[in-house]
Amino acid sequence: SQQGEEDPQALSIQEGENATMNCSYKTSINNLQWYRQNSGRGLVHLILIRSNEREKHSGRLRVTLDTSKKSSSLLITASRAADTASYFCATANSGGYNKLIFGAGTRLAVHP
Amino acid sequence: NAGVTQTPKFRVLKTGQSMTLLCAQDMNHEYMYWYRQDPGMGLRLIHYSVGEGTTAKGEVPDGYNVSRLKKQNFLLGLESAAPSQTSVYFCASSSALVPGLDEQFFGPGTRLTVL
Repeated sequence: SQQGEEDPQALSIQEGENATMNCSYKTSINNLQWYRQNSGRGLVHLILIRSNEREKHSGRLRVTLDTSKKSSSLLITASRAADTASYFCATANSGGYNKLIFGAGTRLAVHP
Repeated sequence: NAGVTQTPKFRVLKTGQSMTLLCAQDMNHEYMYWYRQDPGMGLRLIHYSVGEGTTAKGEVPDGYNVSRLKKQNFLLGLESAAPSQTSVYFCASSSALVPGLDEQFFGPGTRLTVL
């Protein structure tokens, strides 16, 4: 079973617009991570937020975490065509070994 | 540094055949993982290893075996391939420096088709 559920499944926007993706999970976590996957490629780590953090920024990325609602959001500001990819949230529980449980992902298309 | 590499990139098998997927990392990571990704889904953990000579089952281990004889290599074996094992397989590695707080580094994937 998958821990994270992402919403929306697909998102289509114009360059310059902001893109927001949401992730919900079921059990308690140690941290939550967001990854990006370009078509036909492996996943690339974007950002990690710890369970005791509420917000984190990295360049044009902003991640929020609400542990009371078991949810997270990823905001990409001023999107570019190169941001077109699938985005996955993944949760790590306190069991250790950095094991991750992935959501099904959001497919983002940014049109020039 | 090459990071995480996987061989082969593509493979077509007939039902009942066996094969081994090889994953290699040059980052001296303790932890290594094998995932499968099916269309429209996220990654599911097959097996993982927390160090040389150790392996453990993940979420979907049935039909697969693994070995970690050397720290830098993690092998995934299919003894008798089935069409349900048609998937894209990803290997990943992670540091143990800050357990529970490290990112995973992924290989480019192996696309396997079982006829």
